[in-house]
Amino acid sequence: IQLTQSPSSLSASVGDRVTVTCRASQGINSYLAWFQQKPGKAPKLLIYDASTLQSGVPSRFSGSGSGTDFTLTISSLQPEDFATYYCQQLNDYPLTFGGGTKVEI
Amino acid sequence: EVQLVESGGGLVQPGGSLRLSCAASGFTFSDHYMDWVRQAPGKGLEWVGRIRKTTHSYTTEYAASVKGRFTISRDDSRNSLYLQMNGLQTEDTAVYYCARVLGTTWHDHCLDYWGQGNLVTVSS
Repeated sequence: IQLTQSPSSLSASVGDRVTVTCRASQGINSYLAWFQQKPGKAPKLLIYDASTLQSGVPSRFSGSGSGTDFTLTISSLQPEDFATYYCQQLNDYPLTFGGGTKVEI
Repeated sequence: EVQLVESGGGLVQPGGSLRLSCAASGFTFSDHYMDWVRQAPGKGLEWVGRIRKTTHSYTTEYAASVKGRFTISRDDSRNSLYLQMNGLQTEDTAVYYCARVLGTTWHDHCLDYWGQGNLVTVSS
């Protein structure tokens, strides 16, 4: 299953509302996770099952979607949110990641 | 505190072998599936494979790119996960992460804790 993220990069300012999309090549129910990765660090789980917020993740992060189209929204971008975001489908093996979206200042 | 610490990486020649280890602590290792994920320099994430827990017969899944060359195993008595890599190619050069799988249902078999990563370089 191929995952296409868009955009591949975006520029935003602190306080902006940011939306990243992930489109699957076939239906994957709600079995999608979102990760945040900062340079030189391991990825961090933000959201799973398309919209379930992982424990400890700020509520400004939210996820939605089902089937083939999914979104990750950051309601008010904070300085620590500048990073690369990846989606991953969990519907079928082999599990696959999207190509990533880099959120820059 | 959940901790995952990878070791065993380094420089290896094409066609060579390497075994990565991942030492787990801070949780009941035997209760969780475990995954390996890799990231080539400057590139995105690539899922490598999974090993399930004893109640699911330690069954494994692999990405097509490594199937037949890589083998995932675990030793629950040592709280350790392993990745045996044979027939290494230059395109296997990457940081390799071990990661814990949160749950066992389709809704929650996502990766909730990750190690710091271990670099494997395949070059002559």
